[in-house]
Amino acid sequence: AQTVTQSQPEMSVQEAETVTLSCTYDTSESDYYLFWYKQPPSRQMILVIRQEAYKQQNATENRFSVNFQKAAKSFSLKISDSQLGDAAMYFCAYRSGSGYALNFGKGTSLLVTP
Amino acid sequence: GAGVSQSPSNKVTEKGKDVELRCDPISGHTALYWYRQSLGQGLEFLIYFQGNSAPDKSGLPSDRFSAERTGGSVSTLTIQRTQQEDSAVYLCASSPELAGGQETQYFGPGTRLLVL
Repeated sequence: AQTVTQSQPEMSVQEAETVTLSCTYDTSESDYYLFWYKQPPSRQMILVIRQEAYKQQNATENRFSVNFQKAAKSFSLKISDSQLGDAAMYFCAYRSGSGYALNFGKGTSLLVTP
Repeated sequence: GAGVSQSPSNKVTEKGKDVELRCDPISGHTALYWYRQSLGQGLEFLIYFQGNSAPDKSGLPSDRFSAERTGGSVSTLTIQRTQQEDSAVYLCASSPELAGGQETQYFGPGTRLLVL
C-alpha cells in the first residue's frame, strides 16, 4: 500500500509571509495523482490543489503552488502571502491512477499569526 | 443542495447501540465515498459506491459496519453494536464519474460520533 508522510505536525507563519508544507510518498506506480486538502475547524475538507504525476509542470492555484519532485517522491505545498484564513489542518493525499480511494497523510496544522 | 450534506452533525451514543449516519451527495455525482477520521488512525477509506456497480467495501473495519446507497443518491452508513473505538468523524465525499482521474472528491462536513 502506498504511504504518505507529512513530517511536520505543526507549522507557524506570519501573515503575508510564505510557508512550505512537506509531503513525501512511497509508491511503485507511475500513474497517480496527488492532492492537498485543507480542513478548517468546520471539518469540511476543501481541495487546495492537485497534481497529475504525468505532468512535469508544477500546479498553481492563486497563492498556492506545489513543488513536485517525482524522482524524489516529494510533493510540497507553498502558500504565499499567508492570510489568517489559511489557518487549518492541511492534508496531503495520494490516489492511484487505477484506483479511487484517497490515501491521506497525518496532516500538518498551520497557524497563521498576525 | 450545492454541496455534500451529512446528518447528524454530531451524534452521542452509548456503547452497544446502533447508529445510522446519512450522506447526501452533490446532485449528479455518481461516485460516493465514506472515510473515517480518528486521532489514532488518521483518515481511512471505508467504502466506495459507483453508479449501479457493486460497492468496494474493502475498507470497512469490521462486520459491524455496513453501508447502502439507495437510488444512486443518498447513502447511509450503519454501525451496529457501537464500541468506544468507533468514536471518530465520519466523512462522506462524492465525485463525478471517473474520467481519467480528473474528478475531484468533494467532502461533506462530517458527522462526529462519540460512543460513551
